[in-house]
Amino acid sequence: SQKIEQNSEALNIQEGKTATLTCNYTNYSPAYLQWYRQDPGRGPVFLLLIRENEKEKRKERLKVTFDTTLKQSLFHITASQPADSATYLCALDAVDTGRRALTFGSGTRLQVQP
Amino acid sequence: ETGVTQTPRHLVMGMTNKKSLKCEQHLGHNAMYWYKQSAKKPLELMFVYNFKEQTENNSVPSRFSPECPNSSHLFLHLHTLQPEDSALYLCASSPRTAISDTEAFFGQGTRLTVV
Repeated sequence: SQKIEQNSEALNIQEGKTATLTCNYTNYSPAYLQWYRQDPGRGPVFLLLIRENEKEKRKERLKVTFDTTLKQSLFHITASQPADSATYLCALDAVDTGRRALTFGSGTRLQVQP
Repeated sequence: ETGVTQTPRHLVMGMTNKKSLKCEQHLGHNAMYWYKQSAKKPLELMFVYNFKEQTENNSVPSRFSPECPNSSHLFLHLHTLQPEDSALYLCASSPRTAISDTEAFFGQGTRLTVV
């Protein structure tokens, strides 16, 4: 069966360090992968999209990599700040299931300690 | 604000009640979606509408009934729900249903509690 796994339920790091979050998937062949941020009680907010032919994408302190051989995406936040504390969701398309809509992972809750 | 507005933000309803959730977007998007988010579970896609036509129903029980009168408005009608239906219900929109190559815009969600 198809599955999206994000590493650990929670990740705690010190302010200023780089946070690295992992998204692994099985039995998918996504053409795109997206990352979202979700704060408690609110809807997800789009951060970055990376295409299958792109190895890396950057936006300010954020960096996403996409390895279609390993079936993995890494999401990095450099110089992390307490305001970065949130749940981060990876999502990918499910074209190969016939569905044109995003499928989400469970998310990783990031806590940045001051 | 993302441009997608959901009302109400919170709703408590009994199992015999009938209520409706509303979603509105004026982003000019043609596709709208309902997702359900339960505690410690991934977002679950419920319904997809493209140009007001339902293109997907992800095996959702009939006690959930969607309605899309136009591309800007989406409703989720609820009746005879169960306590396990308590969750955060999220509406999203995108320019088109090939959602994966464009970002999705989510509303703030409706926190539903069924008692």
